[in-house]
Amino acid sequence: NAGVTQTPKFQVLKTGQSMTLQCAQDMNHNSMYWYRQDPGMGLRLIYYSASEGTTDKGEVPNGYNVSRLNKREFSLRLESAAPSQTSVYFCASSIRSKAGGSNTGELFFGEGSRLTVL
Amino acid sequence: GEDVEQSLFLSVREGDSSVINCTYTDSSSTYLYWYKQEPGAGLQLLTYIFSNMDMKQDQRLTVLLNKKDKHLSLRIADTQTGDSAIYFCAESMGDDYKLSFGAGTTVTVRA
Repeated sequence: NAGVTQTPKFQVLKTGQSMTLQCAQDMNHNSMYWYRQDPGMGLRLIYYSASEGTTDKGEVPNGYNVSRLNKREFSLRLESAAPSQTSVYFCASSIRSKAGGSNTGELFFGEGSRLTVL
Repeated sequence: GEDVEQSLFLSVREGDSSVINCTYTDSSSTYLYWYKQEPGAGLQLLTYIFSNMDMKQDQRLTVLLNKKDKHLSLRIADTQTGDSAIYFCAESMGDDYKLSFGAGTTVTVRA
């Protein structure tokens, strides 16, 4: 079982270039998330998709766009990369978006994509 | 996230107990979580506690929750070298399963 798969694992961009980070999950989860991890700041939510066909802004959405292509895939796009977007990006998924029932809201994470913008 | 705070570093001798502390702000959080991140890897859920519980024990792990003070702690008994990692405290935000994470505590286990 692959779980959450992110590509690419490493990328170096020049300022102003664009790129898309891809994420796919094979657990039939409803919700998907993109976080960025920076030293001393933990993980900050960029965008999330509570269910197929919906996307919402998180804590730090500026400079990013997302697409929930289908239930499995959730991509993150940088239209014009800036050095401040140098970070490690994590995609995650969860079985459901709303609290209640027996679900604990556990997030399953990919291995991360390390992006450097020069 | 700024709503969850934890100390950044902890050094512990192998065989001793480790205690990682966390404070959170959202009193409506349904669940509180501890995630572990090993070098070069993503985060994995270590344990969680439901908000109506005070304590949860799972083998070497003990989670204590003080709702009045909005304080969460993780105790690792008999700490081993394999426990060296970054530990993140997280709270569920409102009704959605968006999680707010602390900055992470880097635990270093020394011989």
